[in-house]
This record gives sequence, structure tokens and C-alpha cells, in this order.
Amino acid sequence: GNSVTQMEGPVTLSEEAFLTINCTYTATGYPSLFWYVQYPGEGLQLLLKATKADDKGSNKGFEATYRKETTSFHLEKGSVQVSDSAVYFCALSTNTGNQFYFGTGTSLTVIP
Amino acid sequence: GAVVSQHPSWVICKSGTSVKIECRSLDFQATTMFWYRQFPKQSLMLMATSNEGSKATYEQGVEKDKFLINHASLTLSTLTVTSAHPEDSSFYICSALLIASSSYNEQFFGPGTRLTVL
Repeated sequence: GNSVTQMEGPVTLSEEAFLTINCTYTATGYPSLFWYVQYPGEGLQLLLKATKADDKGSNKGFEATYRKETTSFHLEKGSVQVSDSAVYFCALSTNTGNQFYFGTGTSLTVIP
Repeated sequence: GAVVSQHPSWVICKSGTSVKIECRSLDFQATTMFWYRQFPKQSLMLMATSNEGSKATYEQGVEKDKFLINHASLTLSTLTVTSAHPEDSSFYICSALLIASSSYNEQFFGPGTRLTVL
């Protein structure tokens, strides 16, 4: 079946530190992969996505590469800011879009 | 891009009352919409799949008589929490399915509705 396993948090980093949040998946077929961000008290915002193997999604300094060989979609940012403090969700979708699988979320706190 | 809205963004109600939450796809038609529930500090859990013009499909353990879903048009789905109780307090998020091509579709998420039942 399909599932997403995400690095457990919480993660606390100093400003300008390097961020990696690990995400691995199991899937049948060829899923699309997503990272969503949820700021306190708000809904989900799509951060980036990749729809096929070796695609790299990027947005706001965040990057993730769809690695089929390792079934991974790790989120990275070279230099985090306090404003990046949020919960990050890795997600997988089948190509029909009817099935969406979320990871458990990773809480990130960036301290000045 | 595809935009999905929800109304209201937050609601407080008394125990025993019913609350309706609207989900709209603003710039595309969606024959399929989804309703999720998110408990504090947890991930999203799919409650039901809403299909325009037909009955919703509920996930196991979700009471269909408590969470009434109506998908009356291609841009609007509503979730009514009937006889709400404090344990129904949660963050409810909808999504709408965009048919992008013959081989790829994508869900777009609304901003969520925070329900607090007193």
C-alpha cells in the first residue's frame, strides 16, 4: 500500500542553520510527492512538489528531490529563518489524485 | 493557480447546535472534494470523499449521520456537523480535485475551519 514516513520532531535550530527533514515513502505506481507547511493557527500551504522521479521541487529556499531509488523526498534549506518556524508535512498522492497520504508532520522551531 | 476557499474560517457554537462549513473551488470545477479533520499537533485524517450529485463516501469510523456532506454543485461542498459536542472541536480542512490531464490530477487544499464547541 501507500504510506509516508516522516522524521519525528520537534526540531529546534538556530537561525541560519541548515535544515533537513527526512521523508520516505512506499507506493504502488508512480506517485506525486509534496511538502506542505502549516503555520500556527493556519491551514496547509503547498511548499513544493515533484511529480516524477529525479524532479526537484523548490520554493522560498526550500528544496526536495524525488528519489525513486531510495524512495525519499527529503526537505532541505540552506539557511533557516525564524519565520520558517512551522509544522512541515510530507505527502504522497496517487496520479488519480483521489488518494492523499500525509506524514505525521515535523514541528520546526528556529531560534534567533 | 487553483484556489479553494472555506467559510467560515472559525466558528464557536454551543453544544447541541449544528454548524455548516462551506468549501468552494474558486477558479475550477471539482466533481470530487474531500473533507479532512486535524486534531491538535496531529496530521490530517480523511473523513469523507464528496462527489457532486451523489452520496459522499465516508471513511471507516466516521459517522455519516453526524457529519452530513452535500456536494450540490461543481464548485461547492458543505460539511454540516449536526448536534455538535465538545469532542467535535477540531480543525476541518477541505480539498478539491483538479483534473489536470488524462493521467494526472491534484488536490488543492482550503485554508481550514476551526470549530470550537462549548
